Amino acid sequence: DTAVSQTPKYLVTQMGNDKSIKCEQNLGHDTMYWYKQDSKKFLKIMFSYNNKELIINETVPNRFSPKSPDKAHLNLHINSLELGDSAVYFCASSQQGFEGYTFGSGTRLTVV
Amino acid sequence: KQEVTQIPAALSVPEGENLVLNCSFTDSAIYNLQWFRQDPGKGLTSLLLIQSSQREQTSGRLNASLDKSSGRSTLYIAASQPGDSATYLCAADNQAGTALIFGKGTTLSVSS
Repeated sequence: DTAVSQTPKYLVTQMGNDKSIKCEQNLGHDTMYWYKQDSKKFLKIMFSYNNKELIINETVPNRFSPKSPDKAHLNLHINSLELGDSAVYFCASSQQGFEGYTFGSGTRLTVV
Repeated sequence: KQEVTQIPAALSVPEGENLVLNCSFTDSAIYNLQWFRQDPGKGLTSLLLIQSSQREQTSGRLNASLDKSSGRSTLYIAASQPGDSATYLCAADNQAGTALIFGKGTTLSVSS
């Protein structure tokens, strides 16, 4: 059973399109995250949600909008995609402060 | 603001060697420090989690230590194998304890 699952695994789209990435965790964790791994493989926090409440929004363009319908789901919607958005996006979850983080397998987004 | 640095950036060793990967962090008031492994094109696999009250954790041939006062952690790999070849990522909490901040990783290559 996958603990943190992301869909899709790969996403190729044209500039200007709008796309969504979905994430679900079955660990009962109260906090979920989106991280971006750029072409240099550096992982950077984008958003953090605790019990559906936005905790962190790290200077991410407004074109990125996370949505958490419940504490087991955190989706990422991206409007007007740009070439620079091409990256691998990782979803993660944790029980804040007391357990380690569990990461999904990533979504490789390619904007052409 | 928490910053995590990993040294060296890359390491090549022959099979069977014992090796140490280094991680330093600027803010010592952390809840957790976590070591991950990432294989090319893959997601993150958690290796070891050290909570702030702990000084080390061991799993098989891996041992991670934590010295909060000096802002350092080391990952020790005993009797390295070609299958250990991967990028190893160190991550520590941010100041609020609301997200993991990653180093840029050490890419390890173990030759047979």
